[in-house]
Amino acid sequence: ETGVTQTPRHLVMGMTNKKSLKCEQHLGHNAMYWYKQSAKKPLELMFVYSLEERVENNSVPSRFSPECPNSSHLFLHLHTLQPEDSALYLCASSQDTTGSYEQYFGPGTRLTVT
Amino acid sequence: AQSVSQHNHHVILSEAASLELGCNYSYGGTVNLFWYVQYPGQHLQLLLKYFSGDPLVKGIKGFEAEFIKSKFSFNLRKPSVQWSDTAEYFCAVSPFSGGYNKLIFGAGTRLAVHP
Repeated sequence: ETGVTQTPRHLVMGMTNKKSLKCEQHLGHNAMYWYKQSAKKPLELMFVYSLEERVENNSVPSRFSPECPNSSHLFLHLHTLQPEDSALYLCASSQDTTGSYEQYFGPGTRLTVT
Repeated sequence: AQSVSQHNHHVILSEAASLELGCNYSYGGTVNLFWYVQYPGQHLQLLLKYFSGDPLVKGIKGFEAEFIKSKFSFNLRKPSVQWSDTAEYFCAVSPFSGGYNKLIFGAGTRLAVHP
């Protein structure tokens, strides 16, 4: 399954580092999402983009900064993270944001903040 | 606040046993409903979905789910599980409110099937 790809798959960073997560979808979808998956907690929606415009910013700290240069690519820029930000970050895409289409997920980036 | 509740965090079954995973949501209006599955080391993928029509929906790998509107439930079932069904299962709800409709996930149920 290569519809939604994410790089890197694993990332270890210090609290003072700056890094970026990349997501690419090859499905021709118009909507893209970032989720945070922590152990024993529901997936937390972080950001939603529809046609490259952000339509949801779910009270995410400013140390997470998304970027959507086009409908196929989505980035999550990270800076001065905290250890509690360690989690699996999932990217997803869907045809649109009406909820009438399933979301396709990437494999995730396992982030560890030291 | 809208939420999705999955009753069991961990379920352990033997092969050929029947499975039912509970899912309830809190939203009084129209919803789209989904079950996603995450096999070990793999990404989340859609198992089945309900938008409208027959409340009993069939998905991949012999799974089915029944939407009971009066109970705000969308339970997942499989008559006879296999070892390969070992995975984490997530119920998700998309409340219909026009425009942007977010997908709200439950916390997941981890299923272990023993041979």
